[in-house]
Amino acid sequence: QKEVEQNSGPLSVPEGAIASLNCTYSDRGSQSFFWYRQYSGKSPELIMFIYSNGDKEDGRFTAQLNKASQYVSLLIRDSQPSDSATYLCAVNPYTDKLIFGTGTRLQVFP
Amino acid sequence: GAGVSQSPSNKVTEKGKDVELRCDPISGHTALYWYRQSLGQGLEFLIYFQGNSAPDKSGLPSDRFSAERTGGSVSTLTIQRTQQEDSAVYLCASSLEGVYTQGDDTQYFGPGTRLTVL
Repeated sequence: QKEVEQNSGPLSVPEGAIASLNCTYSDRGSQSFFWYRQYSGKSPELIMFIYSNGDKEDGRFTAQLNKASQYVSLLIRDSQPSDSATYLCAVNPYTDKLIFGTGTRLQVFP
Repeated sequence: GAGVSQSPSNKVTEKGKDVELRCDPISGHTALYWYRQSLGQGLEFLIYFQGNSAPDKSGLPSDRFSAERTGGSVSTLTIQRTQQEDSAVYLCASSLEGVYTQGDDTQYFGPGTRLTVL
């Protein structure tokens, strides 16, 4: 079983809709969870992190964490074509490493 | 301030040649990571440096790969006798301390080096 799993997509949503990106992880000891965005041909950039159960909102982005279900998600409200990218989930099962999922490709069409 | 920088941005080499890739982390960051990303794939962890501790080399795919970090700052990833399967984007990331338990630290990535082995 992979340590961090994401659906590779592509996930296609119309402009203005909510995009929901999901990530599951295997290590129950994981404490911090990160979402990165990677545009084609570019390096990953941090969107947000979460470490407490529940929701965390930052602008159009909301991260949701459920440690009992070992599940973390990212919601993007009012999706824009500029949000089209690959979204990487990263989990901290150890104190000094992040384990990255393979990413979900999001396509927002006008 | 300056972010993570990597050089060269692109490297084309012939099979069997050695290559060196360089990473300059953010000033003051003690943790430095190397990853490899093949086309359409996720990030593959290669090696991790933290301060003066022995590096974590658990991700290096073969003994052709090695890395060093001089003076706790600049790092060089060396691939000897390159093979075509080494073709990928090599990403370097740094973080302040490499402690992520409360989300108060994170990794910042450089622009990567695209390596093509002919």
